[in-house]
Amino acid sequence: EAGVTQFPSHSVIEKGQTVTLRCDPISGHDNLYWYRRVMGKEIKFLLHFVKESKQDESGMPNNRFLAERTGGTYSTLKVQPAELEDSGVYFCASSQDIWSGRGKVTQYFGPGTRLLVL
Amino acid sequence: AQSVTQLGSHVSVSEGALVLLRCNYSSSVPPYLFWYVQYPNQGLQLLLKYTSAATLVKGINGFEAEFKKSETSFHLTKPSAHMSDAAEYFCAVSSTGNQFYFGTGTSLTVIP
Repeated sequence: EAGVTQFPSHSVIEKGQTVTLRCDPISGHDNLYWYRRVMGKEIKFLLHFVKESKQDESGMPNNRFLAERTGGTYSTLKVQPAELEDSGVYFCASSQDIWSGRGKVTQYFGPGTRLLVL
Repeated sequence: AQSVTQLGSHVSVSEGALVLLRCNYSSSVPPYLFWYVQYPNQGLQLLLKYTSAATLVKGINGFEAEFKKSETSFHLTKPSAHMSDAAEYFCAVSSTGNQFYFGTGTSLTVIP
C-alpha cells in the first residue's frame, strides 16, 4: 500500500511568487491534514479535510493560503503571494474514519515539502 | 487547551546506553498520545501510540513509552541505543484524533 506522497519535495521561490503544494493521501483515507514546521519550532496544524469538505481550518495563518481537495482525493495548498515567513516544511497527513474506533486515530505523514522563500 | 513540552532539544547517548526522551502534555480530556520519528531526509514515521488501552505501549525498533496520568507524561525509552536510532523524535497529543499538537522535537545523537 502506497503511503502519503507529497510534491514537490523542495521548492525555492522568490517573495511575491506563487507556489502550489500537492498531497496524495493513502487510498481510502477520508481525513487529510496539512501541518507546517517553521525551522526550529514545533509542527503546527494548518487544516483538516473530511473528504472534500474543510472540517477545521483554524490553523491557517492568513488568506494568502488556500487549500483545496476537489473530489475528496488529493489536496493542494497554494501560497499566494509567498512571504519570507512562509518558509518551512509543509507536511501532509491522512487517516481513516476516526469514528471507526479509537485505534484508528493514527495520522500517517508524508515526507514533507521544504519551501524556501527568498 | 492542549500542548506538549519536550525537555531537551538535543540528547546524546552512547551506543548501547539507555535512551530516555521526555514528553509532558497538557490536555483537559483523556488524550491520544503519539511518538513519531523523523530520520534524515525522510518524513514522520509513527513509533507508537497511546489510545487508552495499556499504559505501557510498545512500539517499533525496541522503543516503548509509559502513559502516566498523574505526571501528565509520556516519556519514550529504549534500553540500548543503536547508531540507527539517530534521528529527530516528536511527541504529539490530541483529544479528538484530528488536530495534533506537537512538541518542538528532540534530536537524538548516538555516539559510537
